[in-house]
Amino acid sequence: DTEVTQTPKHLVMGMTNKKSLKCEQHMGHRAMYWYKQKAKKPPELMFVYSYEKLSINESVPSRFSPECPNSSLLNLHLHALQPEDSALYLCASSQVTGSGGSISYEQYFGPGTRLTVT
Amino acid sequence: SQQGEEDPQALSIQEGENATMNCSYKTSINNLQWYRQNSGRGLVHLILIRSNEREKHSGRLRVTLDTSKKSSSLLITASRAADTASYFCATLASSYKLIFGSGTRLLVRP
Repeated sequence: DTEVTQTPKHLVMGMTNKKSLKCEQHMGHRAMYWYKQKAKKPPELMFVYSYEKLSINESVPSRFSPECPNSSLLNLHLHALQPEDSALYLCASSQVTGSGGSISYEQYFGPGTRLTVT
Repeated sequence: SQQGEEDPQALSIQEGENATMNCSYKTSINNLQWYRQNSGRGLVHLILIRSNEREKHSGRLRVTLDTSKKSSSLLITASRAADTASYFCATLASSYKLIFGSGTRLLVRP
């Protein structure tokens, strides 16, 4: 199984709502990622989890809260978002080298969640 | 800032023609990767070329890497309508952190 799944596919939420994005993989990958992608732009890294621990936070506002409950699941909790947070949110996973890092490994992406904040 | 810049930003060709996209990057790399993204969907890994390799092939794809010029190119031969997508090069800025180029939007006309 080389698939990364994401739910929901589409999400519309108001600025006072709380919602969560979910990501799942069963490839045994120990690194998982959240990216944000605006239209006609490349994906931008938000968070990286390695062995279920937060490794990288790219100075993301606290209204985005990641969680990695186990090695297969990754969540992104959303609260009090702004309209400019509307974007495609992509989850990815990859293998990890024995000494840490994903230097040599490609990342597998899910189809994304299209988020609209009204 | 982005590690890689790609050109052209957009490319429109006829089915059967070849498509060439170029990527330039700024710092030294361990490897460079190319990804494809169909409209509004997730990215699909196409090919990885290591810094000690100069050329790599995968099916109709040919990637070259020139570390002295900090540049790479992706050639798609005998293009098909299904190749219509955005193509991104990507390099590792540090462990785990993949930075994508600005992307080339390819349109293959039937």
